[in-house]
Amino acid sequence: ELKVEQNPLFLSMQEGKNYTIYCNYSTTSDRLYWYRQDPGKSLESLFVLLSNGAVKQEGRLMASLDTKARLSTLHITAAVHDLSATYFCAEETSGSRLTFGEGTQLTVNP
Amino acid sequence: EPEVTQTPSHQVTQMGQEVILRCVPISNHLYFYWYRQILGQKVEFLVSFYNNEISEKSEIFDDQFSVERPDGSNFTLKIRSTKLEDSAMYFCASGELRPYEQYFGPGTRLTVT
Repeated sequence: ELKVEQNPLFLSMQEGKNYTIYCNYSTTSDRLYWYRQDPGKSLESLFVLLSNGAVKQEGRLMASLDTKARLSTLHITAAVHDLSATYFCAEETSGSRLTFGEGTQLTVNP
Repeated sequence: EPEVTQTPSHQVTQMGQEVILRCVPISNHLYFYWYRQILGQKVEFLVSFYNNEISEKSEIFDDQFSVERPDGSNFTLKIRSTKLEDSAMYFCASGELRPYEQYFGPGTRLTVT
């Protein structure tokens, strides 16, 4: 069964702090995606990780992929309130289907 | 910047009725997808479509569901006889090539009463 597990599912952090969201997946896929979703909104693509060891950074967010461990991480540096949202990782499997994790609801408090 | 559009933004229907959800993918994209998200839950894959045929479908996508690309721009999802459990946000997505990213539309909230 395809399974993508994120942890934590809920994360409340203070502005200025660092934290990491973990995404474990079950297949040997080497393609992993991170999306952001604001309440009632659509999914915004953040990162596309296409190979083992891939690391991408955009502003305060950095994503990495370890295909051997079947693990991707999303690291938040010096969090700000604007980063409050739900973050999903998704694994691409056969036929380009995306299998999503349950999402991590991030709240950044002043 | 090109974007995926979806209509309507909200559809309310009675159980047993047919609904058609419409999507206009980004114009040069070749791969099209439907996903759904039940309130408060994760996003679930329904179907992918390429070269005018279904390339993959999930176990959710049963005989009640169908997809069509009736012309060069629209991509539709039809639910033949809606059930209460079909209430969800339905997202259309498109992609230019594999394994490039999928761009999601704003979604259609379907409420079945």
